Amino acid sequence: NAGVTQTPKFRILKIGQSMTLQCAQDMNHNYMYWYRQDPGMGLKLIYYSVGAGITDKGEVPNGYNVSRSTTEDFPLRLELAAPSQTSVYFCASRDSGYQETQYFGPGTRLLVL
Amino acid sequence: AQSVTQLDSQVPVFEEAPVELRCNYSSSVSVYLFWYVQYPNQGLQLLLKYLSGSTLVESINGFEAEFNKSQTSFHLRKPSVHISDTAEYFCAVLDQGAQKLVFGQGTRLTINP
Repeated sequence: NAGVTQTPKFRILKIGQSMTLQCAQDMNHNYMYWYRQDPGMGLKLIYYSVGAGITDKGEVPNGYNVSRSTTEDFPLRLELAAPSQTSVYFCASRDSGYQETQYFGPGTRLLVL
Repeated sequence: AQSVTQLDSQVPVFEEAPVELRCNYSSSVSVYLFWYVQYPNQGLQLLLKYLSGSTLVESINGFEAEFNKSQTSFHLRKPSVHISDTAEYFCAVLDQGAQKLVFGQGTRLTINP
């Protein structure tokens, strides 16, 4: 299994540009999550999904959108990039049940200038 | 809502010294607690977890954590650290209603030779 994969690894955007961060998992997990990590701030949940076709907002959803058309994929969309969205973005997935481990992707580093 | 507090943002120690990383969680009827580790430029990976049963849980690389219900704590310890333990450590609690992890702010462990 490849686990959780994310593309791209690094991207520079200009203010106002849009982009999609890709996330895929091959473990047939129902739950998928998007976090952002800023220095000293821990991880903030942006959006999450409990299954294909179902998404919900996390702590910091403003400026982002998601979709979940398949179990495997959970892309994160930035419509109008702002400097405040400069961060490292992590995707994660887990199976149902409280005992299940959450697996993280390697992250996407985004710089908005 | 569940919350997690990691009391130290940075912990510097010398190699082969013992270390304790502190974590407190908001009280709940039942809790499921996790420690994740993030090595430099990588995603997070599970270190250990408490689900039920024995209050002392161990990882394969010598870390252990003790669930203390009366003090609502889940501190992480290692009797003798190695340079390779340099990383950021995150404590997390499972929000069972929303099936998502709530993370602490993280503790950066720095090992000095």
